[in-house]
Amino acid sequence: DAGVTQSPTHLIKTRGQQVTLRCSPKSGHDTVSWYQQALGQGPQFIFQYYEEEERQRGNFPDRFSGHQFPNYSSELNVNALLLGDSALYLCASSLEYRTNTGELFFGEGSRLTVL
Amino acid sequence: GESVGLHLPTLSVQEGDNSIINCAYSNSASDYFIWYKQESGKGPQFIIDIRSNMDKRQGQRVTVLLNKTVKHLSLQIAATQPGDSAVYFCAENIAGTASKLTFGTGTRLQVTL
Repeated sequence: DAGVTQSPTHLIKTRGQQVTLRCSPKSGHDTVSWYQQALGQGPQFIFQYYEEEERQRGNFPDRFSGHQFPNYSSELNVNALLLGDSALYLCASSLEYRTNTGELFFGEGSRLTVL
Repeated sequence: GESVGLHLPTLSVQEGDNSIINCAYSNSASDYFIWYKQESGKGPQFIIDIRSNMDKRQGQRVTVLLNKTVKHLSLQIAATQPGDSAVYFCAENIAGTASKLTFGTGTRLQVTL
């Protein structure tokens, strides 16, 4: 049973560019959340998708957007990249966003470096 | 804004000893708490969780204690092993917000032989 898979694992962009990160949730999960983890920090919640809609959002600007597809996979898009966007982007999947059903399953992340 | 924080950034323990990792939270509305372990180059891995109607929960070699009076959470690891070396995060959640977790900055646990 495949867990949460993310791609790409590493990428380098320059300021002002745009990036798309991809996530496939754990089999059977229908909710995907994205987190940003700066070096030496804990993950910060970006947003969550359920039934192809953004359901919750953290304190991130509109440059951060996302999408969820009918097969529950998800994309995170970041426009007009800034140096401060350099971080590990984590995708987490769970079942039924409305309930505190317990653990989130995290992927291994996409390491973004902005030069 | 309110956030979850940790007292010690690095904890060094000898193999076989017990480890205690502490966490303070400030959001009194939080009612669900989780400990995660993150190894280098990997995503966070669920260890154990506890709801606010409990003050203690035990797993395999791990125990989480919750003191709501002082808004304190701790993770106890019994007989610490080299494989326990990692960064540990506590995270909090408010009922109805499911996967919207607020994480602390983490504690690095170093296990010495």
